[in-house]
Amino acid sequence: DGGITQSPKYLFRKEGQNVTLSCEQNLNHDAMYWYRQDPGQGLRLIYYSQIVNDFQKGDIAEGYSVSREKKESFPLTVTSAQKNPTAFYLCATSRYRGTSRETQYFGPGTRLLVL
Amino acid sequence: EDQVTQSPEALRLQEGESSSLNCSYTVSGLRGLFWYRQDPGKGPEFLFTLYSAGEEKEKERLKATLTKKESFLHITAPKPEDSATYLCAVFMDSNYQLIWGAGTKLIIKP
Repeated sequence: DGGITQSPKYLFRKEGQNVTLSCEQNLNHDAMYWYRQDPGQGLRLIYYSQIVNDFQKGDIAEGYSVSREKKESFPLTVTSAQKNPTAFYLCATSRYRGTSRETQYFGPGTRLLVL
Repeated sequence: EDQVTQSPEALRLQEGESSSLNCSYTVSGLRGLFWYRQDPGKGPEFLFTLYSAGEEKEKERLKATLTKKESFLHITAPKPEDSATYLCAVFMDSNYQLIWGAGTKLIIKP
């Protein structure tokens, strides 16, 4: 069963806590992306990775960190430095790297809430 | 500044009442545009890619068109299951990032 999986579906963060969102894909896609979605705003890019062991910051990387140790996995850590983390987080993949022309396919999302 | 604006923010239609959603953009070096559909609490689902002015693509009750300044998503005789938020995003060869609109929430009443 091919696709993109994100876990957990809901995540609760306490003050001062780091939390990690999982994104796994079995599509054999090269590029992976993390977006944040807030009500009334367009998707905003947090980080993207075009190849294993390499990633670039997007527009709103502050307070977030990522790793890409395997082609299939691109976890996102929301650190305590991110003061307003409540949002819907979306992971996406595209088949080839090197251009924004490639269609991006999205996972089901993780909703992060602050306790 | 590169910008994408979608209008209206929300649109309520009766079942069978055709209409259009708009995605306008001010960007330099536009190379194309994506349309996605997003159901509540789910990830966006790809619909169309348009590359050049004058291009049209169709899928069931949806037809997307592109001009030099905007794109329209026409919905013909919609059904309640077409209710969703529709997102557009533009891309340029000079930039790896997409620029996203905020979306139009479409509600089709039976």
